[in-house]
Amino acid sequence: QQQVKQSPQSLIVQKGGISIINCAYENTAFDYFPWYQQFPGKGPALLIAIRPDVSEKKEGRFTISFNKSAKQFSLHIMDSQPGDSATYFCAASGGYQKVTFGTGTKLQVIP
Amino acid sequence: DTGVSQDPRHKITKRGQNVTFRCDPISEHNRLYWYRQTLGQGPEFLTYFQNEAQLEKSRLLSDRFSAERPKGSFSTLEIQRTEQGDSAMYLCASSNPHGKEGYGYTFGSGTRLTVV
Repeated sequence: QQQVKQSPQSLIVQKGGISIINCAYENTAFDYFPWYQQFPGKGPALLIAIRPDVSEKKEGRFTISFNKSAKQFSLHIMDSQPGDSATYFCAASGGYQKVTFGTGTKLQVIP
Repeated sequence: DTGVSQDPRHKITKRGQNVTFRCDPISEHNRLYWYRQTLGQGPEFLTYFQNEAQLEKSRLLSDRFSAERPKGSFSTLEIQRTEQGDSAMYLCASSNPHGKEGYGYTFGSGTRLTVV
């Protein structure tokens, strides 16, 4: 059973545009929602994370929007740059337990 | 501290052989996780330790897989009688839920296993 569903599978965005990746979860016990960025040949790196008591969190060009009632959250990358080209994973965990990852979105930012 | 270290980076083995991977976590992190990642997929949980105690093991993990974390420091993941389906990237991560990073994982660069 896939507990975190992610879309789209791949995304192509023009430089300067907005990249949007969406995720949905099923387990209402989840209380921590991180996003990870992974470059080829590297392990995932924590990008930004949110807890369900807030609806939005912004760090630089990266924003998480969270909709608790819909059990959905999304990552917005503003002013997307070629250096943002990577695979992005949403994830979720609850109660200090293991993190469950989505299937990933391969982002390509073209000049 | 230079982060989470994994060794080896790459391993090619023949089907049926045993392999062992090592992970050295960030020293102040008491939790250590093993994940497996196949091409085009997200990391899949295998097992995790809090200090030296193995607290959870995925039901997907066959008996051919075993992990240890003696003395709560480095960890090893052993795969016995490897099969071609074991070919994947094996990722180690560490965390300290009560530290400044909270729940956030720090991943190593992984060990890529190819079973031929």
